[in-house]
This record gives sequence, structure tokens and C-alpha cells, in this order.
Amino acid sequence: KQEVTQIPAALSVPEGENLVLNCSFTDSAIYNLQWFRQDPGKGLTSLLLIQSSQREQTSGRLNASLDKSSGRSTLYIAASQPGDSATYLCADPTGANNLFFGTGTRLTVIP
Amino acid sequence: ETGVTQSPTHLIKTRGQQVTLRCSSQSGHNTVSWYQQALGQGPQFIFQYYREEENGRGNFPPRFSGLQFPNYSSELNVNALELDDSALYLCASSSLGTSGANVLTFGAGSRLTVL
Repeated sequence: KQEVTQIPAALSVPEGENLVLNCSFTDSAIYNLQWFRQDPGKGLTSLLLIQSSQREQTSGRLNASLDKSSGRSTLYIAASQPGDSATYLCADPTGANNLFFGTGTRLTVIP
Repeated sequence: ETGVTQSPTHLIKTRGQQVTLRCSSQSGHNTVSWYQQALGQGPQFIFQYYREEENGRGNFPPRFSGLQFPNYSSELNVNALELDDSALYLCASSSLGTSGANVLTFGAGSRLTVL
């Protein structure tokens, strides 16, 4: 069974700082890797999806990379803003019908 | 294009009761998945419905059951509620059978509190 770990569990940074969130998985035979954002008490918003043939994806100030050999993915957020405050979850959509989620990193960006 | 909508947004039940949660899938999607998210945890897969039949199930007991309707909407039913069933229940829709990754679109969730 795939297990996904996210470090750190919580992170607090001043506005404008660049930051990196980490995600590691026990089974490196993953197909894709997906990053989500979740605001308190809300559903999940997909941020980036890295497919099997890719090593990274970029969207605005976000960049996600995937290293299958080490079983790790990172989400890089440039020039952080208070609106980036949320919980960030990574997930391995291994099968056609299941996502294995990490426990998330709770990010607070201080104005 | 409408997204995934869930109802109710919040509800409170007592132990032993039964609950039904509803989900309308995004336009063009044929598959619905349900996830349970306890406080401070990542979502856990409950089951998925495709063509009105269960298409995969996580580690949840039979008192968690579901339905999918011809319009692809879905219900999650939980019988004999326990305190540990208190959680945010997330519905996600997708298009199974199309090329590429199975990208899920999530609803805002239904917050269930069991007293």
C-alpha cells in the first residue's frame, strides 16, 4: 500500500519569502503526482499534476517537481503571499480509482 | 461548466443514526469518488462509482454504502453512525475511460458531526 509523507507538517513564513514543501512516497512506482490546496473547512483545489512522462510542472508562482528514483516530489512557491495560506496536499493517483494522500503541510504566510 | 456540488454543507447527527450525503458531478464527468477527511488528516478513499456500480473500495465497513444515478450524481449513506465518523466528506468527479491521467474535481465537502 502506498504511503505518502509530507514534511513539514506546518510552516510559517514572512510574506515575500520563497519556500519548498516536500512529499515522499514509499512506492516509487507511481504514475502521476498531484498537488492540491485546501482552505480551512473547504474542498480541494488541484494545483499541479505531473504525469508519468514529465519531471516538473509550473503554474504561475508554483513549480512542482517529481523524482521517481528517490520517491520524492517538491512544491516550490515563489514570492509567497498571505493568500497562499492554506494546507497543501500531495497525492499519488496510482490507480484509476484511488488517490493516496499525504497528511498535508499547513502554510501560514505572515503579512 | 458547473463544478461539483455537495449537500448538505453541515449536519449534526447522534450515534446510531443514519445519514445520506449527496453529490452532483461536474458536467461531462461519469465517475464519482467519495473520501473521508478526519480533522488534521489527509482524505481517505471510501469508494468510487462508475456506470452506477461500485468500482473500487477503500478500507471502510459495509455500513458505508453508495449509489450512482443515471445522471452521474451520487449518494453516500452511512448507517449506525459512530463518533469516529465525524469528518469532512468529500466528493470528487472525473471522466474514467478517457486518455490521460484520472484528474479529479472535488466539491466543497459535507461536514458531519456525530454526537
